[in-house]
Amino acid sequence: GDSVTQMEGPVTLSEEAFLTINCTYTATGYPSLFWYVQYPGEGLQLLLKATKADDKGSNKGFEATYRKETTSFHLEKGSVQVSDSAVYFCALVQVNYQLIWGAGTKLIIKP
Amino acid sequence: EAGVAQSPRYKIIEKRQSVAFWCNPISGHATLYWYQQILGQGPKLLIQFQNNGVVDDSQLPKDRFSAERLKGVDSTLKIQPAKLEDSAVYLCASSSSRPAVYEKLFFGSGTQLSVL
Repeated sequence: GDSVTQMEGPVTLSEEAFLTINCTYTATGYPSLFWYVQYPGEGLQLLLKATKADDKGSNKGFEATYRKETTSFHLEKGSVQVSDSAVYFCALVQVNYQLIWGAGTKLIIKP
Repeated sequence: EAGVAQSPRYKIIEKRQSVAFWCNPISGHATLYWYQQILGQGPKLLIQFQNNGVVDDSQLPKDRFSAERLKGVDSTLKIQPAKLEDSAVYLCASSSSRPAVYEKLFFGSGTQLSVL
């Protein structure tokens, strides 16, 4: 069945460092891909999405490109801030099916 | 716009006890979801409602878990009796769109359950 694999955390970086969180997926057809973020004490919220190959989702300085040839949707940010500390989830959905979630990657940014 | 409200925020019970969680979705949202999130894992869908009807409860352990959404608004999830492996965060989410459109999904802050 469909699945999502994320890099294990925690990922610890210094402020202003470059961030990459890897996400790869296994799915038939052409799923839509998402990154959700969970800040401490808050609910999950959609960060960005891409619905077809080569689409780039972007929000709050974060970007991810839907790469069908490598079945990947890596999350990147050029310069992280302490406020980016959170847990990040990669997910996919096929039409009329439920969200399939990765295990989440905890990001810790040190000042 | 008010978000998805959940209560309680935390709950500690002993195994074999009962517990209930409450969720009030965003006003006007027809679709409501309950997820179970075990530490170190992604959320797992337990049940999905469309108004007050069940759309998907295939992963709900029906021997101990039950959920209802009377009048198509707020919802209650119950566990009776609880087991140690039920320790998790229980998330409620709601959506105004068709069930397949997940970019419109809004989550509550969750209820953290510890079963001792």
